[in-house]
Amino acid sequence: SQTIHQWPATLVQPVGSPLSLECTVEGTSNPNLYWYRQAAGRGLQLLFYSVGIGQISSEVPQNLSASRPQDRQFILSSKKLLLSDSGFYLCAWSVPLGGNTEAFFGQGTRLTVV
Amino acid sequence: AQSVTQLDSQVPVFEEAPVELRCNYSSSVSVYLFWYVQYPNQGLQLLLKYLSGSTLVKGINGFEAEFNKSQTSFHLRKPSVHISDTAEYFCAVSDRSTLGRLYFGRGTQLTVWP
Repeated sequence: SQTIHQWPATLVQPVGSPLSLECTVEGTSNPNLYWYRQAAGRGLQLLFYSVGIGQISSEVPQNLSASRPQDRQFILSSKKLLLSDSGFYLCAWSVPLGGNTEAFFGQGTRLTVV
Repeated sequence: AQSVTQLDSQVPVFEEAPVELRCNYSSSVSVYLFWYVQYPNQGLQLLLKYLSGSTLVKGINGFEAEFNKSQTSFHLRKPSVHISDTAEYFCAVSDRSTLGRLYFGRGTQLTVWP
C-alpha cells in the first residue's frame, strides 16, 4: 500500500534562517506531488506541484521554492524565512490521471517563524 | 479557474442532531468534488468524492453529499452527529485540466456538544 512521510512534525525557526522540509512517498511510481500551506483562517493554499522529476510549477509567488530530486521525494525550501511563512505545511500525492482522483496527505509540519 | 466557497466558518451542533456543511463551487468545466476532514494537528483524510454518475455520494463515518449542478453546490450532510465528528471539514474541486491539483475552500469547523 502507498504511504507518505513528512518531516519534521514541528519546527521553530528564527527569521532569516533557511528551511528544508522533506516529503517521501512509498508504494507508487511517478506520482503527482504537491505542497500546500494552511494558514490560520485561510484554508489550504496550493504552493507547488510536480508531475515528474525536476518538474516544478508554482501556484503563487512567494519566499519558498520546491525541488523534486527523485521520483518520490519532494522538498520545500527557503533561503531566508519570513514571519509570514509560519503555518501548517502539508505534502500530498495523487496518481497521474486527469484530475479524477483524490490527493493523499501527509501528517503535516507545523512551522513557527520567530 | 476553479474556486470553492464554504459559507460557514463555524458550525456548532448538539450530539445526535443533523448537520449540513455548505459548499459552493465555480468552474467553467465539468468538475470533480471532494470533502476532506482534518483532526487537530493532522493531515487531511478523504470523506467522500464525486467524480461522475449518481449525484448522491456516500462516504465514511456516515457522511453523504449531493452534487447539484444547477446550484453549483456540494453540501455535506450527516443525519446524526457524534462528538467524535468534531473537526475541520474542507471542500475541494478539481477538473481534467488541473492535473490532480485540488483547490480548497477555507474550511468549516464543526463542533459537536454533548
